[in-house]
Amino acid sequence: DIQMTQSPSSLSASVGDRVTITCQASQDITNYLNWYQHKPGKAPRLLIYAASNLQRGAPSRFSGSGSGTAFTLTISSLQPEDTATYYCQQYDNLPLTFGQGTRLEIK
Amino acid sequence: QVQLQESGPGLVKPSQTLSLTCTVSGGSISSGSDYWSWIRQPAGKGLEWIGRLYNSGNTIYNPSLESRAIILEDTSNNLFSLGLSSVTAADTAVYYCARETTLQVGVYYYYAMDVWGQGTTVTVSS
Repeated sequence: DIQMTQSPSSLSASVGDRVTITCQASQDITNYLNWYQHKPGKAPRLLIYAASNLQRGAPSRFSGSGSGTAFTLTISSLQPEDTATYYCQQYDNLPLTFGQGTRLEIK
Repeated sequence: QVQLQESGPGLVKPSQTLSLTCTVSGGSISSGSDYWSWIRQPAGKGLEWIGRLYNSGNTIYNPSLESRAIILEDTSNNLFSLGLSSVTAADTAVYYCARETTLQVGVYYYYAMDVWGQGTTVTVSS
């Protein structure tokens, strides 16, 4: 299985801050990488697909980059509603695997 | 728009079979290009992909489930189901169903889970 490692596992930032979450794959996954936002009690939400493409309806402050084994999710200006856990997920090989999640809190 | 809703017993006894249903509205599970997946999240842990239904009844599973999982489609009622046999406390989790759809980038197509259900909590306990 392809292992996905996210860092940090949690972070706290202020409204307006630029926030970056990283995701490392255990092998080359080209750009088969998606990012999801998950709030407690809600359905996970697709933010970014194919490493850098913003899903329709997702706020433009979210962006993704990377290829191969190293990827990042960036929030350009953190908003209160961005409090959530964020997951990366690889789509290169079965079984599909997710990172362990990054819990983002607002200071 | 497509919506998914999980349903099933919230409590299952050890060694029994967990059975869940995902009802799809606003779209058809017979849509050839979409896949239909089950994912779970044990308390305090990350997301684990269980398996998917694709191409009119074909299935593929995460080997970690050691052949305990089965996903079936019911096209008449536009739903798909998950059965997980010989459950233990380790199977206690929130279970989600999701649609994997194709998203086009230039001349390439990528898959992502663009629609999820709200999730249903299943506890394995005697």
